[in-house]
Order: sequence, then structure tokens, then C-alpha cells
Amino acid sequence: EAQVTQNPRYLITVTGKKLTVTCSQNMNHEYMSWYRQDPGLGLRQIYYSMNVEVTDKGDVPEGYKVSRKEKRNFPLILESPSPNQTSLYFCASKAGPNYGYTFGSGTRLTVV
Amino acid sequence: GDSVTQMEGPVTLSEEAFLTINCTYTATGYPSLFWYVQYPGEGLQLLLKATKADDKGSNKGFEATYRKETTSFHLEKGSVQVSDSAVYFCALFYNPGNQFYFGTGTSLTVIP
Repeated sequence: EAQVTQNPRYLITVTGKKLTVTCSQNMNHEYMSWYRQDPGLGLRQIYYSMNVEVTDKGDVPEGYKVSRKEKRNFPLILESPSPNQTSLYFCASKAGPNYGYTFGSGTRLTVV
Repeated sequence: GDSVTQMEGPVTLSEEAFLTINCTYTATGYPSLFWYVQYPGEGLQLLLKATKADDKGSNKGFEATYRKETTSFHLEKGSVQVSDSAVYFCALFYNPGNQFYFGTGTSLTVIP
């Protein structure tokens, strides 16, 4: 089944403790992206990648890192999480520029 | 810059009522336009899309027409069902910017 898989689905962590949210897609898509969803703000793009080793900042990249060493994986790294990064995170992938994104099921992160 | 504006919710309708959710966009060129649906506790799913002016996207009884003259992409359905209750997001992709812009979402509740 074609899908985007994120892990974990739920995570509670403490301020300053580094964490990684994994994302993997099995559709051989070139484009991958991370979004956060917050009430009243909709979805905001954190980082995106157009291919292996090609990444760029979205609208809200501060406090996040990404890497794209393989086509299928696009992990999101929070080096020193803070409470304002408490959010619902979605990974997404698409085949090319004019295609729609396929989304993962989301990761609900709470930073205390 | 590029952006999407959609009508605020929440919207509550009776079963079999007619649905319209308004979406307008601002873009310097000719973007591709999308509607996504998010059911409770799930990720976003692509509902329909249109890639050029006058295109009509349709899926599961939903329709939207890309209107360049009014810069709009309104979502319509002739007869909603309880199972259509979800949050609907309008989105825009404009290639030179390589970013996907989402509206803030419109919550729809359909009551029997």
C-alpha cells in the first residue's frame, strides 16, 4: 500500500531533550515536506526537500533540522525542543511539482 | 506573496443540504489548486485538484472549478452526508516558489 509512515504517533518530552520524528514513503516520490498544524493557524511548512541532499526552509524552520540522505526518508530533528514546539506534525510526499501531497497520519508532540 | 483565504467555520448543515466552502487565492502566476479533507484523528487526504484555469476537479460528489477571473476555487457538494463531517483545507502550489500554501481550514459538521 502506498503510504507515508511517521513515527511515533504520540510523544511527550521535556524541554531541551533532543528528539527525532521519522518519516518514510514507499512511492519513490521526489518531494517531501514537514508541516505543523496549530489551532487557528492551519498548516505551516517547516522544511521541504525536492530530492536527495536538497532541502530548503519553509515558513517556520526555526528550531528544526532535517536531512535527506535517502529518497524514502526525511526525518525531522528537534535539537533542543521548547514548549512552543508542542504541535501536531505531518510529513508529506509528492511525485512532482504539480501533484498533491500524500500525508502521513501525524505525530502529536508535547514538550513540557 | 502567495496565499489562500478560505471561509471561516464552523459550518453546520443538515443531511442532504447543499454545501459551499469558499476559497480565494493570491498568486503572482498560475498556481495549481487543491482541496484536502481531514477526518478526526487522521492526516490530510487529497480530495480533488485543478491545475489550470477553467479545470473542474471532482471526487466523491465534491466539485471545485478553477476560476482565474475571480481567483477562486470554491468547494461544492449537492447533498452532504453525516460522513462528510471533517475539516476541509484549500491549498495552492506555485512552482517557482516550490511551496505549498494551505488555508486555515473550515470545519464542517453534518447533522442527521
